[in-house]
Amino acid sequence: DQQVKQNSPSLSVQEGRISILNCDYTNSMFDYFLWYKKYPAEGPTFLISISSIKDKNEDGRFTVFLNKSAKHLSLHIVPSQPGDSAVYFCAAVFQGGSEKLVFGKGTKLTVNP
Amino acid sequence: NAGVTQTPKFRVLKTGQSMTLLCAQDMNHEYMYWYRQDPGMGLRLIHYSVGEGTTAKGEVPDGYNVSRLKKQNFLLGLESAAPSQTSVYFCASSYKQLAWADTQYFGPGTRLTVL
Repeated sequence: DQQVKQNSPSLSVQEGRISILNCDYTNSMFDYFLWYKKYPAEGPTFLISISSIKDKNEDGRFTVFLNKSAKHLSLHIVPSQPGDSAVYFCAAVFQGGSEKLVFGKGTKLTVNP
Repeated sequence: NAGVTQTPKFRVLKTGQSMTLLCAQDMNHEYMYWYRQDPGMGLRLIHYSVGEGTTAKGEVPDGYNVSRLKKQNFLLGLESAAPSQTSVYFCASSYKQLAWADTQYFGPGTRLTVL
């Protein structure tokens, strides 16, 4: 049973527009959420995170929103740039438990010039 | 700092052969992890270690063994490789608990093909 779901395998946006990547989770014990970005032939790199005590965290062009009641989070990239083209993974963890990250399947973002 | 390095980058094995993947980190991290990534799948945790001399099973541990004899190294072993173990393997490390550090740092991956 998949605990972290990214239901859109791919997303294509125009340069300068907003990219919105979505993630849903089923385990209400998750209390910390992370987004990773992965380029081909490289390991994932950390992008942004959010604790369950917050509903928004912003870092430059990247903002993550958390809706705990809906068990949903989203990553907004504004404005999108061609260099943002990558696979984005959502991950979740229960910090008081195993400390193990659970990853979604990823969404491939393509930003067209 | 090199960060997290993995050796080798690519490997082709025949069914039944054995091999060891090496992960090294120079950040003095306590926690280390081995993941596998298959097409259309997220990263799945194979084994992890919360400190030198300790290891624990993750989500998909069968067919793999690990050792953490030195803090900076985490080895992943395949005793008898099977085609189902064809995958990209990522090693990661983190300072300690995720509450204290925002992230795990990942290596570049090892692409393993088992024929």
